[in-house]
Amino acid sequence: DIVMTQSPDSLAMSLGERATINCKSSQSVLSTSTNNNFIAWYQQKPGQPPKLLISWASARKSGVPNRFSGSGSGTDFTLTISSLQAEDVAVYYCQQYYSTPLTFGGGTKVEIK
Amino acid sequence: QEHLVESGGGVVQPGRSLRLSCVASGFSFSYYGMQWVRQAPGKGLEWVAVISYDGDTQHYADSVRGRFTISRDSPNNTLYLQMNSLRTEDTAVYYCAKVSGRHSGSDFLIDLWGQGNLVIVSS
Repeated sequence: DIVMTQSPDSLAMSLGERATINCKSSQSVLSTSTNNNFIAWYQQKPGQPPKLLISWASARKSGVPNRFSGSGSGTDFTLTISSLQAEDVAVYYCQQYYSTPLTFGGGTKVEIK
Repeated sequence: QEHLVESGGGVVQPGRSLRLSCVASGFSFSYYGMQWVRQAPGKGLEWVAVISYDGDTQHYADSVRGRFTISRDSPNNTLYLQMNSLRTEDTAVYYCAKVSGRHSGSDFLIDLWGQGNLVIVSS
């Protein structure tokens, strides 16, 4: 099984600051045939289901604000919120969809300082 | 607009069975694979099972294999999760989820989630 490790568990930033969340997979999730990384990032606000933000490690879903960006390849990935807004308070999860069992990181809780 | 609505949850005793349903609307249900993901109270997300667009292939998490069965009724746009031999550790909100496509990788990528349905396993 591919283990997904997220860090930090939580972070508190001021409005307008840059927030960075890290995600590491226990093995590569890069497909050499397609050169795609099978990593998604989801946002879950309190009392709501998760929402897809980014797929293929860096492809922002239509309608997602461009302050959200994803990067990385192989085993190390990052979600960046370039300028934190009040509505970004949520828990963020990375997930690998390279192989079953599909696995999620433990989540990172983002709060406003 | 794409929509998923789960039902069938509730309180059940350990060892008993429960069947969750998920009705899809706003997209061609028979074209897409579907998944179940659960979230225990105050915890993170745990993938449960996936079924292919045609129902021919299923994959399960080790924690539920042999006890849970994912199935679909495409003419009625409905996904199911039959849960047998329930344990207290199966207590969670169960989310129905749609995958984004049918080519490699997209058949496991979730792009739409239902609102979730709470299952409590308790004596």
